[in-house]
Amino acid sequence: KAGVTQTPRYLIKTRGQQVTLSCSPISGHRSVSWYQQTPGQGLQFLFEYFSETQRNKGNFPGRFSGRQFSNSRSEMNVSTLELGDSALYLCASSPYPENTEAFFGQGTRLTVV
Amino acid sequence: GQQLNQSPQSMFIQEGEDVSMNCTSSSIFNTWLWYKQDPGEGPVLLIALYKAGELTSNGRLTAQFGITRKDSFLNISASIPSDVGIYFCAGRRNTGTASKLTFGTGTRLQVTL
Repeated sequence: KAGVTQTPRYLIKTRGQQVTLSCSPISGHRSVSWYQQTPGQGLQFLFEYFSETQRNKGNFPGRFSGRQFSNSRSEMNVSTLELGDSALYLCASSPYPENTEAFFGQGTRLTVV
Repeated sequence: GQQLNQSPQSMFIQEGEDVSMNCTSSSIFNTWLWYKQDPGEGPVLLIALYKAGELTSNGRLTAQFGITRKDSFLNISASIPSDVGIYFCAGRRNTGTASKLTFGTGTRLQVTL
């Protein structure tokens, strides 16, 4: 069974631009969560989607948004990029939101210059 | 954002030694997960714990879910060079919109030959 696939793996953007990251969960998994990882703040929860609905949102500004499609694939978008948005963005896949296990993709390394 | 207290922050050990790390929280969790992350990669799930007091093993790894549901520990026996990496604990409440993962600050494990 294929794992969680995140694309692209690496991305370089300039301040003010916007970016879209993609996540394909494990086949049959319907819950997708997004996390931001930085050296200073560690792993921080961004949002969670299940059945195309956002169920939970972390403490991030409105520039961070996401969506989930009917095939459970998810995208997250960051608009008006800031230098501080440079991070590893990780997607986690679970069969259901309350399921105990969460499997991560390899992440997308975003660098804002 | 909230992070769990994880200790030690880093450790150097000799190959063959046993390792112990723990994670504590001021809040109760329904599930504890332990992950290992290699540089530039996403976290890989090592062990999942579902019940207070539960002790679970996965090869050389053993983890326990604390009785109070506010802590967990991970032991690695007979460490080998490929154990090098960062280990994270994560707690999950499994209650509706609170089903996000809250991560520990990480333990960096370095093994000397």
